[in-house]
Amino acid sequence: DGGITQSPKYLFRKEGQNVTLSCEQNLNHDAMYWYRQDPGQGLRLIYYSQIVNDFQKGDIAEGYSVSREKKESFPLTVTSAQKNPTAFYLCASSKREVDTQYFGPGTRLTVL
Amino acid sequence: AQSVTQLDSHVSVSEGTPVLLRCNYSSSYSPSLFWYVQHPNKGLQLLLKYTSAATLVKGINGFEAEFKKSETSFHLTKPSAHMSDAAEYFCGLGDMRFGAGTRLTVKP
Repeated sequence: DGGITQSPKYLFRKEGQNVTLSCEQNLNHDAMYWYRQDPGQGLRLIYYSQIVNDFQKGDIAEGYSVSREKKESFPLTVTSAQKNPTAFYLCASSKREVDTQYFGPGTRLTVL
Repeated sequence: AQSVTQLDSHVSVSEGTPVLLRCNYSSSYSPSLFWYVQHPNKGLQLLLKYTSAATLVKGINGFEAEFKKSETSFHLTKPSAHMSDAAEYFCGLGDMRFGAGTRLTVKP
């Protein structure tokens, strides 16, 4: 089955630790995205990538980092510099920019 | 600047009555517009999209939306609500912007 997988589903982190969220797609899509979702604020774009080895900051990139070494994979690292990392994180992909996005099931990160 | 505004944070309807979820947009060029649905603790699923082919767009599960350029709106409608429609709905602009979401409650 084609789709997007995110792991883990739930993640707990102590303050001061970096943590990496996984996102993999087998849809052969060029573009991939990371969003953060907080109650009442909708989705806010963290980073996006239109092609391998290239990515752009979104509206709330501070405290986050990404890599795009393979077309299928777009991992997100939440660093200790992110002051309020507890949130629901969604990864998405699309065939190209400005196209229908297909979303993964999300990862809920909780900082203890 | 591009932006999306969902005018209601929460809409409550009775089963079998019409649904109206409102979305306004701001864009300096002809936009691509989307409606997505999200069930609790899940990712988003596309309901429908507008890409300038036809102003009335039909989507899945009986939903449709009408693009009105003069009103800069893209409201989502459904003639008759079903209990399974209860979810969070997001209006999106093609440049990766989304509204804050509208939570739809369906009462029996």
